[in-house]
Amino acid sequence: EIVLTQSPDTLSLSPGERAILSCRTSQSVWRRYLAWYQQKPGQAPRLLIYGSSNRPTGIPDRFSGSVSGTEFTLTISNLEPEDFAVYFCHFYGTSRTFGQGTKVDVK
Amino acid sequence: EVQLVESGGGLVQPGGSLRLSCAASGFTFSDYHIDWVRQGPGKGLEWVGRSRKKASSYTTEYAASVKGRFAISRDDSKSSLYLQMNSLKIEDTAVYYCTRKGNGMDVWGQGTTVTVSS
Repeated sequence: EIVLTQSPDTLSLSPGERAILSCRTSQSVWRRYLAWYQQKPGQAPRLLIYGSSNRPTGIPDRFSGSVSGTEFTLTISNLEPEDFAVYFCHFYGTSRTFGQGTKVDVK
Repeated sequence: EVQLVESGGGLVQPGGSLRLSCAASGFTFSDYHIDWVRQGPGKGLEWVGRSRKKASSYTTEYAASVKGRFAISRDDSKSSLYLQMNSLKIEDTAVYYCTRKGNGMDVWGQGTTVTVSS
C-alpha cells in the first residue's frame, strides 16, 4: 500500500507570501496519477492539480505542482485571502490514497 | 452544468444499514469511473470504493475498511451510483462524497452525512 505523507501539518503565512507544501510517497509512483485538492470548511474538495503539474481549466496560475523523485510539491505563489484552506495530495493510480492534509492558515 | 448530488444520509444505529445515492448530470455518466470518498469529523479524506465504467466491465473495488460490508452499484440509464452500507460501525460516521475520475477526481458532490450512533 502506498502511503502519502504531507508536510508540514500546518503552514502559517500572510497574504502575498508563497506557500510550499510537500507530499512524499512511500514508494515510486506514476507521476500522472498524483493530484492536489483544496478544501474549505463545509465544502467538498476542489481539484487544483492533476498529473503532478497540470492545472484544470479555471485554476489560477499561482497554483503549481512539481515532483522530484518521490516528493511532490504544491506551490502557491502570492497567497490570496481565499487560499487559506486545507490541501490534500492524492494518488489515484492502482491504489487510491490521500495524504493527511496540510492546513494553510493566516499568520 | 456538470454535477454530482448525493442523498440518503442520516442517523443509523450500529449494525444497521443505509443506502446512499449519487445522481449525475451534465455529462455522460457511463463514460466515467466514479468513486466514493468519505471524511470523518475533523479528519482527512478516505477512499471508500470505485465503480468502473461499462468499458471496464462495471467492476468494483473497495477499501479494506469497508470490504464485505459496503457494496457499490450503478445504473447508467439513470446516471446514478449507489452505496449500500451494511453492518455499520461508529467509525463509519462521516460525510460521504461521490466523485468522478477524469483527469484527477475532477467533479465532486456536496456530500451527504452519515451518523452511526446509538
